[in-house]
Amino acid sequence: KAGVTQTPRYLIKTRGQQVTLSCSPISGHRSVSWYQQTPGQGLQFLFEYFSETQRNKGNFPGRFSGRQFSNSRSEMNVSTLELGDSALYLCASRLGGQAAYEQYFGPGTRLTVT
Amino acid sequence: AQTVTQSQPEMSVQEAETVTLSCTYDTSESNYYLFWYKQPPSRQMILVIRQEAYKQQNATENRFSVNFQKAAKSFSLKISDSQLGDTAMYFCAFMKRIQGAQKLVFGQGTRLTINP
Repeated sequence: KAGVTQTPRYLIKTRGQQVTLSCSPISGHRSVSWYQQTPGQGLQFLFEYFSETQRNKGNFPGRFSGRQFSNSRSEMNVSTLELGDSALYLCASRLGGQAAYEQYFGPGTRLTVT
Repeated sequence: AQTVTQSQPEMSVQEAETVTLSCTYDTSESNYYLFWYKQPPSRQMILVIRQEAYKQQNATENRFSVNFQKAAKSFSLKISDSQLGDTAMYFCAFMKRIQGAQKLVFGQGTRLTINP
């Protein structure tokens, strides 16, 4: 079974631009979570989507948004990019539901804002 | 709020030795899950081992085992017969469930180097 895939793997953007990152979960997984990883703040939870609905959101500004499609694929959007948004963005999927708690991570998208 | 603390920023051992990574956490919940993830230089986060808080028995996965002390809120990872491929960042994580949704809270990580 294919793992979690994320595209693109690397991205360079300029301050003020916006960016969209994509995540395809493991087949059959209905929940997708996003995390931001930086050297200073470590790994921080952004949000979780399940059945096209945002179920949980971390402490990030409204510039960070996401969505999930009917095939469980998810996108994350960051508008008005700031230098501090440079990070590795990780997506994780799980089956979903109360009993399915193991999250499997993708390889990440490395975003550099200049 | 839940917090996870890994007090060892870096560790280094010789191949075949046993190494223990420390993790403590803070929560007022009684039902939760704990994980150790490994992130090698390739950056792919890999699940190493998991522990359900309601289970008293410590989890084991081949060379990896945990020492789960619920009262002390401690969750250490032991790697036996360490191998060069174990070189990676190791993250301890606490999983909080909120009405069916989940959120992982990570520690700052321990950089483990296995030397030949």
